[in-house]
Amino acid sequence: NAGVIQTPRHKVTGKGQEATLWCEPISGHSAVFWYRQTIVQGLEFLTYFRNQAPIDDSGMPKERFSAQMPNQSHSTLKIQSTQPQDSAVYLCASSTTGGLYEQYFGPGTRLTVL
Amino acid sequence: QQKVQQSPESLIVPEGGMASLNCTSSDRNVDYFWWYRQHSGKSPKMLMSIFSNGEKEEGRFTVHLNKASLHTSLHIRDSQPSDSALYLCAASRTGGYKVVFGSGTRLLVSP
Repeated sequence: NAGVIQTPRHKVTGKGQEATLWCEPISGHSAVFWYRQTIVQGLEFLTYFRNQAPIDDSGMPKERFSAQMPNQSHSTLKIQSTQPQDSAVYLCASSTTGGLYEQYFGPGTRLTVL
Repeated sequence: QQKVQQSPESLIVPEGGMASLNCTSSDRNVDYFWWYRQHSGKSPKMLMSIFSNGEKEEGRFTVHLNKASLHTSLHIRDSQPSDSALYLCAASRTGGYKVVFGSGTRLLVSP
């Protein structure tokens, strides 16, 4: 079991450019979460999918962030017109179900917006 | 909005000492608590979970939960330098899916 896979591990974009982050959950896990982690804000919930369906995107900045899960083997987080304040480590996690079981985190994608 | 408060923000203990970390939820509907450990440059990994009142021990780690006060604590005995990390407390509701994380306690175990 390779665990949760996230690519790329590091991404540098210029202000105003688009960034797409990829996550491959653990096979058989039905729940996928996206978080953002910074020193100042800590670990922030962004969005949650269950059985590929979007359930809760209440943590997503509405205007520029979007997430999809087109199939059970991958999810993407897209940030349009990136801003310096978007710089963070974006973590994807999966679990066998929603909030009652251990979440397995991927290694994260460190996004730097210049 | 549900909040999970952790204290202290940072903690230094000598090697071989006891580290005690605290966590409280503001949501009275919370039933499940987790402790995750995150080493520098790594992703969080679950350390222990507790769902019932009382105490749970796994090796050098002990977790307490008081559901009436929505307070959980993590105690690490015989602390090792490898225990130096960010410790995150998380909580969720019965039937819920969203796990809310605290801001963490940064533990440094000095040799």
